[in-house]
Amino acid sequence: GEDVEQSLFLSVREGDSSVINCTYTDSSSTYLYWYKQEPGAGLQLLTYIFSNMDMKQDQRLTVLLNKKDKHLSLRIADTQTGDSAIYFCAEINNTDKLIFGTGTRLQVFP
Amino acid sequence: KAGVTQTPRYLIKTRGQQVTLSCSPISGHRSVSWYQQTPGQGLQFLFEYFSETQRNKGNFPGRFSGRQFSNSRSEMNVSTLELGDSALYLCASSLVGPSGTNEKLFFGSGTQLSVL
Repeated sequence: GEDVEQSLFLSVREGDSSVINCTYTDSSSTYLYWYKQEPGAGLQLLTYIFSNMDMKQDQRLTVLLNKKDKHLSLRIADTQTGDSAIYFCAEINNTDKLIFGTGTRLQVFP
Repeated sequence: KAGVTQTPRYLIKTRGQQVTLSCSPISGHRSVSWYQQTPGQGLQFLFEYFSETQRNKGNFPGRFSGRQFSNSRSEMNVSTLELGDSALYLCASSLVGPSGTNEKLFFGSGTQLSVL
């Protein structure tokens, strides 16, 4: 079945870049997403990438997709304390179900 | 434009009871999906409704059910509550559904259910 894995924690210094990684198993994924969840809140869509792309940049966010290795990453440039949150990658295929990763807790320290 | 609204925000129930959660999607959105979030299992898909019809379903027991009304508002119901049903229940709305071209899911803040 579909499986999406992420590392649990990432700690970075303010101003540095953060890279959050995600691996998935479903080769029929059509879209891949990155969501952010702050304490006590729902999920906020940050960005997404179509499976036939290998890179997408959106302001401080860069998404890289290696379809061959089924590896997705989110790079946050100039990480700020407000970026501290849990980040989820998710994939969707032709079954129309959004499958989420385990989430990576990003902690930004001054 | 108002976002996705879920009520209530918090709920405490005891084992064996039933519970109904409500979700009002963004105006104009016709698809509503429900997810369960727990520390152990992460985010798991429950079901998706579109135009009052359940279009997709996850791997949850029949105690979990839902419906959608003509105004696209959705409710989910859990009967015979178990301790393991304690979770954050999130709903998400979108225009036509999760995998439409350039489609985006907008999430509510969730209902935190505690079963004692």
